[in-house]
Amino acid sequence: DAGVIQSPRHEVTEMGQEVTLRCKPISGHDYLFWYRQTMMRGLELLIYFNNNVPIDDSGMPEDRFSAKMPNASFSTLKIQPSEPRDSAVYFCASSLGRVLGNQPQHFGDGTRLSIL
Amino acid sequence: GENVEQHPSTLSVQEGDSAVIKCTYSDSASNYFPWYKQELGKRPQLIIDIRSNVGEKKDQRIAVTLNKTAKHFSLHITETQPEDSAVYFCAASSYSGGYQKVTFGTGTKLQVIP
Repeated sequence: DAGVIQSPRHEVTEMGQEVTLRCKPISGHDYLFWYRQTMMRGLELLIYFNNNVPIDDSGMPEDRFSAKMPNASFSTLKIQPSEPRDSAVYFCASSLGRVLGNQPQHFGDGTRLSIL
Repeated sequence: GENVEQHPSTLSVQEGDSAVIKCTYSDSASNYFPWYKQELGKRPQLIIDIRSNVGEKKDQRIAVTLNKTAKHFSLHITETQPEDSAVYFCAASSYSGGYQKVTFGTGTKLQVIP
């Protein structure tokens, strides 16, 4: 089991540029979560998917943020245009759900994003 | 929606002492309570979890207790070691409307002083 795989691990870009973060969940997991972590705001849930369908995107800060899950093995989080206040560590997590009830989330190693 | 409060936000203990972190939740439908440990620069990792049909669970030096009536649960670490230093997150999870919903606490930074 390779775990949740995120790329890139680090991203440094200039304000106004488009940023795309990628996530490959654990095979067979039907839930995928995107989180943002900062010192000031802690761990924030941005959006989560079940069976590739977005269920709750109320945590997405604004229209500059968008997320997609075109298939069960891939998701993207896009920021366009990026701003310095978007600098944070972005985590993707996946879990099993439904039939087995609530299960723990497995986190990727995160993407450390710096917007200059 | 669910609201999870976690205390304290920081905790310093001497090596060998015990550490206790407490969380309260608001949604009585929550029935699964995982705890995650996040070391500096690393990802959160599950260390122990408890379901609502159980009052206590133990794994070596780590234990979690749950009081459903009072809607609070706690993490207990005994004989603390320097490698226990990390940020600990509690979470409350419910399964309603056909979907899993998880709410995290704000984290406790534990420092174990050698």
